[in-house]
Amino acid sequence: GQNIDQPTEMTATEGAIVQINCTYQTSGFNGLFWYQQHAGEAPTFLSYNVLDGLEEKGRFSSFLSRSKGYSYLLLKELQMKDSASYLCAVPLLVAAGNKLTFGGGTRVLVKP
Amino acid sequence: DVKVTQSSRYLVKRTGEKVFLECVQDMDHENMFWYRQDPGLGLRLIYFSYDVKMKEKGDIPEGYSVSREKKERFSLILESASTNQTSMYLCASSLKGFIGELFFGEGSRLTVL
Repeated sequence: GQNIDQPTEMTATEGAIVQINCTYQTSGFNGLFWYQQHAGEAPTFLSYNVLDGLEEKGRFSSFLSRSKGYSYLLLKELQMKDSASYLCAVPLLVAAGNKLTFGGGTRVLVKP
Repeated sequence: DVKVTQSSRYLVKRTGEKVFLECVQDMDHENMFWYRQDPGLGLRLIYFSYDVKMKEKGDIPEGYSVSREKKERFSLILESASTNQTSMYLCASSLKGFIGELFFGEGSRLTVL
């Protein structure tokens, strides 16, 4: 089975940095996804890590440690529009496709 | 531009009614998924399909069924709606055999009275 844990909520100030942690347990590892979801909207893809290390994409970076079952999403130079929920997800490869199991999501509130 | 379209953004139904939620994607994706999203519980997988007429149970299939008669369309059916099925329902699609990103629809908020 799969189990994914992430904090429920975080608050940060505009211009600051926030790190959202995600720990997972899975029977077969096929990478880890981060999604962003603004209130009332659909989730959108942010990043995918399959190898250990840090991947940077503009103001957002995602880190993975497979041996520790741990990932984090780093948001730098926070902007008000970054207020959203951030979802950690792990795919399970089944038959001819894959299905994603999501964590509960971390709601990030950016304050002026 | 890739698109997943869900037929209704908001629905209000009564207990015991049959409910159909429709989802159409225009990306020629093989995989389609139905999730429900509830506060504190996150996204939970109800059913998924990796080909026409194929379906697989997700983590919470009880009380739901699905239909995939055409590649682009995946329907979620609540045979007899109950109040505990009040939720946001999200449809998504992805390419077959590729651990890639899911493309989500805008969601259907269902209220069962």
